[in-house]
Amino acid sequence: EVQLVESGGGLVQPGGSLRLSCAASGFTFSSYWMHWVRLAPGKGLVWVSRINTDGSSTSYADSVKGRFTISRDNAKNTLYLQMNSLRAEDTAVYYCARDRVSVFDYWGQGTLVTVSS
Amino acid sequence: DIVMTQSPDSLAVSLGERATINCKSSQSVLYSSSNQNYLAWYQQKPGQPPKLLIYWASTRESGVPDRFSGSGSGTDFTLTISSLQAEDVAVYYCQQYYSTPFTFGPGTKVDIK
Repeated sequence: EVQLVESGGGLVQPGGSLRLSCAASGFTFSSYWMHWVRLAPGKGLVWVSRINTDGSSTSYADSVKGRFTISRDNAKNTLYLQMNSLRAEDTAVYYCARDRVSVFDYWGQGTLVTVSS
Repeated sequence: DIVMTQSPDSLAVSLGERATINCKSSQSVLYSSSNQNYLAWYQQKPGQPPKLLIYWASTRESGVPDRFSGSGSGTDFTLTISSLQAEDVAVYYCQQYYSTPFTFGPGTKVDIK
């Protein structure tokens, strides 16, 4: 059974940093591109970032470019999102999702990030 | 960036009746060489992650009930729930995967009348 479990969310002050993790199991993690997608309170889904199978290629939404870094450790079956210079507008539930021909076929339950003083 | 819009913002339908959601992209998401529309639909229930329903605009994901169907091409798409069930109460999003940044519509909330 495919499972994606996010962790690392919490309350952080504006300008602070957090690192999210997504532990994958039930499939060959190293064979799949992976994504982060977020859902802000009262808003819709927003794609955040994507990484290819070996981590050599990444893409970001303009709103997080230069502040967030996606990475992966295929030996640990884990996806990461390093978030720096956090802003109030980054407050959201962050989901990791598996890529299948660029659609998101499996999602984690999400981890809540709250940016507030 | 490709902007996705949806209509209506919300709708209430009686149990067993049809629900129709429209999605429009600011530019075509039809890839001519493959003749495929890079358009997906997701369902999100409160407190749950999104669930993939439809991809390539009309291909139902494995395990999705056949009351869900997708249609359309180019810039105009439709998700139809042929006979609404209580468990279909959710927010529905369309998403283009033609180009990055991948973009979602704002969502349509479906309720029971």
